[in-house]
Amino acid sequence: DAGVIQSPRHEVTEMGQEVTLRCKPISGHNSLFWYRQTMMRGLELLIYFNNNVPIDDSGMPEDRFSAKMPNASFSTLKIQPSEPRDSAVYFCASGPGGEQFFGPGTRLTVL
Amino acid sequence: DQQVKQNSPSLSVQEGRISILNCDYTNSMFDYFLWYKKYPAEGPTFLISISSIKDKNEDGRFTVFLNKSAKHLSLHIVPSQPGDSAVYFCAAKRIQGAQKLVFGQGTRLTINP
Repeated sequence: DAGVIQSPRHEVTEMGQEVTLRCKPISGHNSLFWYRQTMMRGLELLIYFNNNVPIDDSGMPEDRFSAKMPNASFSTLKIQPSEPRDSAVYFCASGPGGEQFFGPGTRLTVL
Repeated sequence: DQQVKQNSPSLSVQEGRISILNCDYTNSMFDYFLWYKKYPAEGPTFLISISSIKDKNEDGRFTVFLNKSAKHLSLHIVPSQPGDSAVYFCAAKRIQGAQKLVFGQGTRLTINP
């Protein structure tokens, strides 16, 4: 099993640009999670899906952030427009319940 | 409101000795607890877990202890090895209902040769 796959691994963009992060969960896992890690706030949950349906998006910081899961094998996290304070490492995780399995993360830098 | 707290941002231990990482939580509804380990440039990886019906769970060199009355858990690593140097995150959830994990801020463990 390849584990959770995230792309890109690194993204550098300019303020105001749209950023799309992608995630392929582990096959058979019915829950998918998007996290953001920063020095100030640690690892915080942004949104999670169960069976492709968004269950809790209370961690999404602003309307500039949106997430979709069109099918069981793919999810996106979009930031439009991006701002320098969005710079962080974004992790996707999937799980059957209980433990969550994390991808390698996308390091986003917004200049 | 930080529901899961790891008050020590860093810990340094000599190789071969015991490492003890601590975690406190405030939400009495949490009934399942996990420890994750994270190396630089990688995602967190699951290490060990414990449910609230137990007070101890052991897996090789790793043991997690849960004190429900104190809302405290700890991870013991013995003996500590250089490869254990990483950031350790404590996480908590409710078994019933929401699948979301609440993470602590992490503790950076350094094992010195």
